[in-house]
Amino acid sequence: KNEVEQSPQNLTAQEGEFITINCSYSVGISALHWLQQHPGGGIVSLFMLSSGKKKHGRLIATINIQEKHSSLHITASHPRDSAVYICAGGNQFYFGTGTSLTVIP
Amino acid sequence: NAGVTQTPKFRVLKTGQSMTLLCAQDMNHEYMYWYRQDPGMGLRLIHYSVGEGTTAKGEVPDGYNVSRLKKQNFLLGLESAAPSQTSVYFCASSHGQGVTGELFFGEGSRLTVL
Repeated sequence: KNEVEQSPQNLTAQEGEFITINCSYSVGISALHWLQQHPGGGIVSLFMLSSGKKKHGRLIATINIQEKHSSLHITASHPRDSAVYICAGGNQFYFGTGTSLTVIP
Repeated sequence: NAGVTQTPKFRVLKTGQSMTLLCAQDMNHEYMYWYRQDPGMGLRLIHYSVGEGTTAKGEVPDGYNVSRLKKQNFLLGLESAAPSQTSVYFCASSHGQGVTGELFFGEGSRLTVL
């Protein structure tokens, strides 16, 4: 049983497409995290949100606390967005297994 | 700015050998974490610390020990390495939890146990 579930597991998109990655969680959380991991690379924090919506450049994250669901959107996707995107929540940080995104030029 | 630094980056061990991974952060964070990342699985919490001198078990603590003698350092020890401990280990730190809990990760340490 995973406390945090992501979908899809893998995603391939053409450059310029709008992308959505979903995250559902069963644990109680005070904040949900979206992280990015490039191949062979480290992990960086993209967003931390407890309600509503946040936007950084072409990335948008939303959360619905009542439905225990969050989404990460990428507008006008670019090959450099190719990475694994991970959502995490809970004070001890339960992690999803990640969504591997490939953006094709 | 160094952020979170892990050493070593790579290590190969024989079964039964011991080693220590060092995590150092220069952001004065209270919370520090050790995770392991295995193919097809999400990051799993091994141990964590909520302040200097404190440690607590996470989801997969067996076979590991930790210490936090100084606020900036969090050590992960393997007393008798096993092939099942072959993994990539990530250290992370945060100021707090919840809305103050933005995570900062080290670059990872790849450990192979033969």
